[in-house]
Amino acid sequence: DAGVIQSPRHEVTEMGQEVTLRCKPISGHDYLFWYRQTMMRGLELLIYFNNNVPIDDSGMPEDRFSAKMPNASFSTLKIQPSEPRDSAVYFCASSLALWDLADEQYFGPGTRLTVT
Amino acid sequence: GQNIDQPTEMTATEGAIVQINCTYQTSGFNGLFWYQQHAGEAPTFLSYNVLDGLEEKGRFSSFLSRSKGYSYLLLKELQMKDSASYLCAVRDSNDYKLSFGAGTTVTVRA
Repeated sequence: DAGVIQSPRHEVTEMGQEVTLRCKPISGHDYLFWYRQTMMRGLELLIYFNNNVPIDDSGMPEDRFSAKMPNASFSTLKIQPSEPRDSAVYFCASSLALWDLADEQYFGPGTRLTVT
Repeated sequence: GQNIDQPTEMTATEGAIVQINCTYQTSGFNGLFWYQQHAGEAPTFLSYNVLDGLEEKGRFSSFLSRSKGYSYLLLKELQMKDSASYLCAVRDSNDYKLSFGAGTTVTVRA
């Protein structure tokens, strides 16, 4: 398997523009996670899906952020409108299950977002 | 919720041993993970502990004491490629979500 795939790898946009980040999880993984990583706040969980259904979005910062998973092999994280404070690395991760003894999450390479 | 503490930085010499401590406070515990993250790359899984004791995996070992809310990651025979950030993460038994510490940056010097 190619692992978790994310695109784009880098995104530079101006404040107020819409940004869409994309993720393809590992085939067969039932759980998909979106994280954000900054120097100030570290790695934070934004939202996660189980079998394409959003389960917990309590980490989504505000209404400007939305995430979808239309099928088992694709998810998007959208920011509209974007603001400079959204600048971060956004990681997508997937796992087979959530509570099994050693159910590790596999992370994608991340999207480095810069909002000017 | 979770409160996870780990040192910000550590420096060690090639071939030496380094121990990275992690303390946590949690409303419900369902396992502790260690991840390695090289600069500019994604975190990758290193180890998992859910019961007290030591788990050994090659040059890396991880220890857990649930009663003390304490774990450590032990890196032996350090190599230059071990220079990275090491993230401690705790899984909550209430919602099974992972909460990550801020990470410990380890620098290995020749």
